[in-house]
Amino acid sequence: AQTVTQSQPEMSVQEAETVTLSCTYDTSESDYYLFWYKQPPSRQMILVIRQEAYKQQNATENRFSVNFQKAAKSFSLKISDSQLGDAAMYFCAYRSLYEQGGSEKLVFGKGTKLTVNP
Amino acid sequence: KAGVTQTPRYLIKTRGQQVTLSCSPISGHRSVSWYQQTPGQGLQFLFEYFSETQRNKGNFPGRFSGRQFSNSRSEMNVSTLELGDSALYLCASSFSSGVEAFFGQGTRLTVV
Repeated sequence: AQTVTQSQPEMSVQEAETVTLSCTYDTSESDYYLFWYKQPPSRQMILVIRQEAYKQQNATENRFSVNFQKAAKSFSLKISDSQLGDAAMYFCAYRSLYEQGGSEKLVFGKGTKLTVNP
Repeated sequence: KAGVTQTPRYLIKTRGQQVTLSCSPISGHRSVSWYQQTPGQGLQFLFEYFSETQRNKGNFPGRFSGRQFSNSRSEMNVSTLELGDSALYLCASSFSSGVEAFFGQGTRLTVV
């Protein structure tokens, strides 16, 4: 079974600075998806960025980018020019392409609480 | 386009009772998944339904069950509630050939 580990329970960053959240995962599969989700106090999980394992190029979405190291099974999220609205729980998630019935089950890490200081 | 809607938002139940939670997916989405979120265990996969059939199931006792209707709306039921069932229950829907899962705001269940 796949596992996802987020080793930083909490992180803080100054507004306008850059912060990197870490995520490692364990799998024997060669093809999969990786995601970063954000969960603000409103509780709704919002997709921040996704990465397909077969793509070598790191995904980027505006101020959010990832450093995907497939061999090291590492998937870190970099937030540039941090804003107060970025404060939330961030979850790293793994999705297999080989789940039974084509299931879209997500395996989540325990999360990192990001605080943005003004 | 309406998002994923979960009802109710909050629920308080007594040990031993049963509860039913509802999830209406985004229009056109046929896959609905349920997750339990607790401070200790984090986010854990409960089950997934696709076209009214359970496609996958997590490692939860049989007290947790679900179903999906022909309009893709899904319900999950928990019978004989225990204190440990207190959690945020999240529902996610996705398009059949899509990658991204869209989440609802969850139902906060408190068992007393």
